[in-house]
Amino acid sequence: AQSVTQPDIHITVSEGASLELRCNYSYGATPYLFWYVQSPGQGLQLLLKYFSGDTLVQGIKGFEAEFKRSQSSFNLRKPSVHWSDAAEYFCAINDYKLSFGAGTTVTVRA
Amino acid sequence: KAGVTQTPRYLIKTRGQQVTLSCSPISGHRSVSWYQQTPGQGLQFLFEYFSETQRNKGNFPGRFSGRQFSNSRSEMNVSTLELGDSALYLCASSSRQGARETQYFGPGTRLLVL
Repeated sequence: AQSVTQPDIHITVSEGASLELRCNYSYGATPYLFWYVQSPGQGLQLLLKYFSGDTLVQGIKGFEAEFKRSQSSFNLRKPSVHWSDAAEYFCAINDYKLSFGAGTTVTVRA
Repeated sequence: KAGVTQTPRYLIKTRGQQVTLSCSPISGHRSVSWYQQTPGQGLQFLFEYFSETQRNKGNFPGRFSGRQFSNSRSEMNVSTLELGDSALYLCASSSRQGARETQYFGPGTRLLVL
C-alpha cells in the first residue's frame, strides 16, 4: 500500500528566510504526488503536483517541489517565506484515493 | 468556475443522532471523494463516488454511508453518532476517477458531537 511520511511535525522559520518541508513516499509504481496547504478552519488548497516528466515542479504562491526517485522524496521549498505562509502543509500520494502524511505546521516569526 | 461547496459549514449534534452532509463538486467534475480529518488520526479517506456508484471505500464502519446524484452532487450520512465522529469532513472533486486525477477540496463541514 502507498504511504507518505512527513518527518517534521512543526517548523518555525523567520519571515524572508527559505523553507523546506520534507516528504518521503512508499510506493511500488510511478507515484502521483501532491502538496496541499491548509489554513486554520479552512479546506485544503492544492499547491502543486507531480505526475511525471520534469522532476522540479512549480506551484502557486512561489512554492516548488523536487521529485527524487532515488531518495523516494518529494520535498517542498520556498525561497523566501511570507507571514501569510503560516499554515499546515500536507504531502499526499494518489492511488485512486489520496493518502496523506501527518502534516507539517509552519510558524513564521517576524 | 466556482469551487467545491459544502453545506452546512458547522454542525452540532448529540450522540445517537444522525447527520447528513452535502457536497457540490466543481462544475463538470464527476468524481466526489470524502475525507475525515481529526487531530488524532489525521486525514483519512472515507469513500469515492463516480457516476452515482461508490468506487472505493476506506476503513470506516457501516454507520458512514454516502450517495451521489445524477448531477454529481454528493451526500454523506453518519448514523448513530459517537463522540469520536467529531471531525472536519472534507469533500473533494475531480474530473474523472483515477490516480492521475487532481482532487480539489471544499472548505469542509465541522461536526461536533456532544
